[in-house]
Amino acid sequence: GAGVSQSPSNKVTEKGKDVELRCDPISGHTALYWYRQSLGQGLEFLIYFQGNSAPDKSGLPSDRFSAERTGGSVSTLTIQRTQQEDSAVYLCASSPLLDSGNTIYFGEGSWLTVV
Amino acid sequence: RKEVEQDPGPFNVPEGATVAFNCTYSNSASQSFFWYRQDCRKEPKLLMSVYSSGNEDGRFTAQLNRASQYISLLIRDSKLSDSATYLCVVNPYTGRRALTFGSGTRLQVQP
Repeated sequence: GAGVSQSPSNKVTEKGKDVELRCDPISGHTALYWYRQSLGQGLEFLIYFQGNSAPDKSGLPSDRFSAERTGGSVSTLTIQRTQQEDSAVYLCASSPLLDSGNTIYFGEGSWLTVV
Repeated sequence: RKEVEQDPGPFNVPEGATVAFNCTYSNSASQSFFWYRQDCRKEPKLLMSVYSSGNEDGRFTAQLNRASQYISLLIRDSKLSDSATYLCVVNPYTGRRALTFGSGTRLQVQP
C-alpha cells in the first residue's frame, strides 16, 4: 500500500495485559514516529526513529512503554501491564527525512481501550 | 509553558465567514512550521507548510512572525467542509528531533 499501515486498528485489552502495536511505514521513509492522542486531547510525542541513529525515547511516559524498529522499516510499540490511562489512539507516522522540512504522514492509528 | 500553544476554541462561524487562528511557539530556534488538519476520529493530515514570507493556498493563508514567535492561519469564505481541528506544528530542531504538535483549534462552520 501507499500509506502508513497500522495494526490492529482496534484493540480492547484487560488491565494488566501486554499489548503490541505494529506500524509499517511508507516504503523508503527513513524517519518513523509514534504519537499518542487521548480523547479530545492533542498529540503526545512518544518516540522517534531516524535511520540507524539511536532512537529518541524522550516522550515515552513510563518504562512500561518500549518500541523497536527492525531492519529500518516495521516498528512495534509495546505496552506492558496496561493501565486504563493508556487508553488512547496510538498514531504512527513516517517521513523521508525530517531535517529537510519534509512533512510526515500518519497512519489511521491503533485505538486502544484498556478495561 | 507549552512548546506550542493554541486557542482550543471552538470557533463557531457561519458559512462564508473569514476566520483566523493563531499559534505561539516557545523555541526561537524552530525552523519548520506546518498546519495540519484533523477530522473527528481521523488521523492528522498536512494542510500546508508555513514559509517565512507567508504563503497562500486557495482560501487558506499561512503567515509566520519569527520576532513574536507566532504562526497564523486564515481561512476565507469558510465552507461546511472546513469544520475540523487545526493543529499547529513546529519542528524545534533541538534535542527532540520530532515534530511538536499543538493541541489544536476546533472550527465548526455552520450553515
